[in-house]
Amino acid sequence: DAKTTQPPSMDCAEGRAANLPCNHSTISGNEYVYWYRQIHSQGPQYIIHGLKNNETNEMASLIITEDRKSSTLILPHATLRDTAVYYCIVRPERGKLIFGQGTELSVKP
Amino acid sequence: NAGVTQTPKFQVLKTGQSMTLQCAQDMNHEYMSWYRQDPGMGLRLIHYSVGAGITDQGEVPNGYNVSRSTTEDFPLRLLSAAPSQTSVYFCASSYLGIRGHYEQYFGPGTRLTVT
Repeated sequence: DAKTTQPPSMDCAEGRAANLPCNHSTISGNEYVYWYRQIHSQGPQYIIHGLKNNETNEMASLIITEDRKSSTLILPHATLRDTAVYYCIVRPERGKLIFGQGTELSVKP
Repeated sequence: NAGVTQTPKFQVLKTGQSMTLQCAQDMNHEYMSWYRQDPGMGLRLIHYSVGAGITDQGEVPNGYNVSRSTTEDFPLRLLSAAPSQTSVYFCASSYLGIRGHYEQYFGPGTRLTVT
């Protein structure tokens, strides 16, 4: 499975967009990019996933570069409740979900 | 639906004891997984299953056994507890939807301390 690299921490002002980057330079053609987040000590929560095209849902947008070597998760209007650890994961369609260290996002008033 | 349930919520064991962490889901999901999360760390996959009767190892399988005799249940057995197994254990279930949709639903976790 391809490895991912994320910054360990980021800050964002409340109401602004939070842009969380992820590098996955060894991704292969059949691997999807998934984003999960973990708030405090709860179980992780699915946010969004994509293969090649950009994706948007009610929680976030996912921008994948054309070469698929990196992606960005965008929370358009961050709130204090978005403070969490965000995990970028690369996974084959039927493979295991392996979490890395993630990015700790702090949304500040 | 109750979703994914885990029991117990908390457990203290002495070194060398064995126990089983229970996990059940009522969503008819084919995939189930066990993770552990040490303080300040990310989740590490212990074992997972793609259906009843099928299990496979994850990143850190040593010291743990699993079985999947039914779709609903996926117990995790600690064979001989060690202090290094002190952690929070999460069980998750999921289905594989269209276009690679793989949304895992996590249980509330079991906080295990081994003294």
